[in-house]
Amino acid sequence: GAGVSQSPSNKVTEKGKDVELRCDPISGHTALYWYRQRLGQGLEFLIYFQGNSAPDKSGLPSDRFSAERTGESVSTLTIQRTQQEDSAVYLCASSLFGTRQETQYFGPGTRLLVL
Amino acid sequence: AQRVTQPEKLLSVFKGAPVELKCNYSYSGSPELFWYVQYSRQRLQLLLRHISRESIKGFTADLNKGETSFHLKKPFAQEEDSAMYYCALSGRRETSGSRLTFGEGTQLTVNP
Repeated sequence: GAGVSQSPSNKVTEKGKDVELRCDPISGHTALYWYRQRLGQGLEFLIYFQGNSAPDKSGLPSDRFSAERTGESVSTLTIQRTQQEDSAVYLCASSLFGTRQETQYFGPGTRLLVL
Repeated sequence: AQRVTQPEKLLSVFKGAPVELKCNYSYSGSPELFWYVQYSRQRLQLLLRHISRESIKGFTADLNKGETSFHLKKPFAQEEDSAMYYCALSGRRETSGSRLTFGEGTQLTVNP
């Protein structure tokens, strides 16, 4: 079946502009995660959605970052007033129930460059 | 706080040689540990997890709670093993599911 998909694959924007990144999880997966990977670094957790529960936003670096998910479908990550330090690869992952032992399936990522 | 450390950013070995990618962690509870791999131009994917105690593509990893380590090993490296390897930890927080904490990764190159 289809894996996790993300769009766009690449995004170049100017400092101060808003950007919206999209993630389509694997159908039926209730858990969805966003991570950020800066150049030469590991992945950093940003936000977690589980079914209809309130999302865990504890990893969002500032209030310029927000994310939404409708039910168990698509999620969008929005970055307002982008800064150069926001340049990174943004990865989305999904898993069936969100338990500790589960495999997280990753999308290909969106590479964001803020000029 | 949970933390994962991979001390080697780069590791180069020759084909047929043994390889060990180091991973150390800090976590106050009982962690779940994983190795994820990213081959060139492919997405990040799970290689193995400690709870399964399995060997995948000849790789094994043993959780050593005393040394808080989860090193990845393979007795005979192959050229197709060249990739970026990430060690990851999943703690249990009621509000964040199985969020993963990643190390910075080790780029493995297997030379012919």
